[in-house]
Amino acid sequence: DGGITQSPKYLFRKEGQNVTLSCEQNLNHDAMYWYRQDPGQGLRLIYYSQIVNDFQKGDIAEGYSVSREKKESFPLTVTSAQKNPTAFYLCASNRDRASNQPQHFGDGTRLSIL
Amino acid sequence: SQKIEQNSEALNIQEGKTATLTCNYTNYSPAYLQWYRQDPGRGPVFLLLIRENEKEKRKERLKVTFDTTLKQSLFHITASQPADSATYLCAPLFKPARQLTFGSGTQLTVLP
Repeated sequence: DGGITQSPKYLFRKEGQNVTLSCEQNLNHDAMYWYRQDPGQGLRLIYYSQIVNDFQKGDIAEGYSVSREKKESFPLTVTSAQKNPTAFYLCASNRDRASNQPQHFGDGTRLSIL
Repeated sequence: SQKIEQNSEALNIQEGKTATLTCNYTNYSPAYLQWYRQDPGRGPVFLLLIRENEKEKRKERLKVTFDTTLKQSLFHITASQPADSATYLCAPLFKPARQLTFGSGTQLTVLP
């Protein structure tokens, strides 16, 4: 079955540490996205990528970095510059950003501070 | 900037009744609007899409309406079941940014 796999499901970060969240898709989608979800708030876009080796900042990119070296993979690094990283992180993909195709989501990574 | 408002954070209804969820937006109308379902600890799952030139869309027990005059979309679940209990997110796509903007969701509980 095609889908999006996020790992790990739970992640803990120590002060001053960078952590990387994994996102892999086998849907052959060009566009991939990272969102952050906080209680009582909608999903907020961190970064998106429309094609391999290209990515763009979303609304809340500060303190995060991404790479897109392969079509299937779009890892997100939460850097020590992100002062409030505790949240539920969701990765999504669709055929392309300009289309009206729905986004397919992974089951998220919950990041907490130790 | 565009603002998305979904009605009350939580909605409780009796099994068998129709649940109606509201999504309001400000400023200019979206090119289309999507509705997603999210279960606790899971990612959202796409349900329905309605375009700006469509008034209504149906899929089994689900119905979405779109009123550009009122700047509002309504999401209905008829003959609701406890399995319909979840958080429902509306997500308009606004031109020209072509970025999907998610509302904070309405948590629906269907009581047996």
